[in-house]
Amino acid sequence: AIRMTQSPSSLSASTGDRVTITCRASQGISSYLAWYQQKPGKAPKLLIYAASTLQSGVPSRFSGSGSGTDFTLTISCLQSEDFATYYCQQYYSYPLSFGGGTKVEIK
Amino acid sequence: EVQLVESGGGLVQPGGSLRLSCAASGFTFSSYDMHWVRQATGKGLEWVSAIGTAGDTYYPGSVKGRFTISRENAKNSLYLQMNSLRAEDTAVYYCARTKTSSTGEFDYWGQGTLVTVSS
Repeated sequence: AIRMTQSPSSLSASTGDRVTITCRASQGISSYLAWYQQKPGKAPKLLIYAASTLQSGVPSRFSGSGSGTDFTLTISCLQSEDFATYYCQQYYSYPLSFGGGTKVEIK
Repeated sequence: EVQLVESGGGLVQPGGSLRLSCAASGFTFSSYDMHWVRQATGKGLEWVSAIGTAGDTYYPGSVKGRFTISRENAKNSLYLQMNSLRAEDTAVYYCARTKTSSTGEFDYWGQGTLVTVSS
């Protein structure tokens, strides 16, 4: 099974900051990686798929990069509505797996 | 508008069974792979099962042999039969659709249904 490791597990940032979250796969997954945003009490929302493709309707301040084993999610200019928990997910092979999550909190 | 609505959650004793349902609308259900993903309170996301358009099924080791995913395309419905339930199965269960028939990123999710396994 492929293990996904996210870092950091939490971070504090201010509105307007640039935020970067990393995700590492225990083996190569090509570009079969997605990023999700989840707010309390809500279902996750797809932000990015295929490592770097922005899902329709997602603001352009979100971007993804990487391939193989190392990936990043960047929020270029943090907005108030971006405070949430972010998860990466590999869909290279079954069993599908998620990272442990990164909680982005207000500084 | 794509909608996924789960139902069937509730309180069940350890060792018991429960069947979850997911009613889909707003898209051609038979053309998409469907999945169940769960989340224990305050914890991360865990993939639970998948069913392809051809009826092929997939499970992680934690639920294999205890959970069964199925679909009824004529009713636009997805199901999860959960047997031999354990306390660690307590979670909100989401049904989710993959963006395409050949990939595994989830572009639509239901609102979730809570399963509590406790005596």
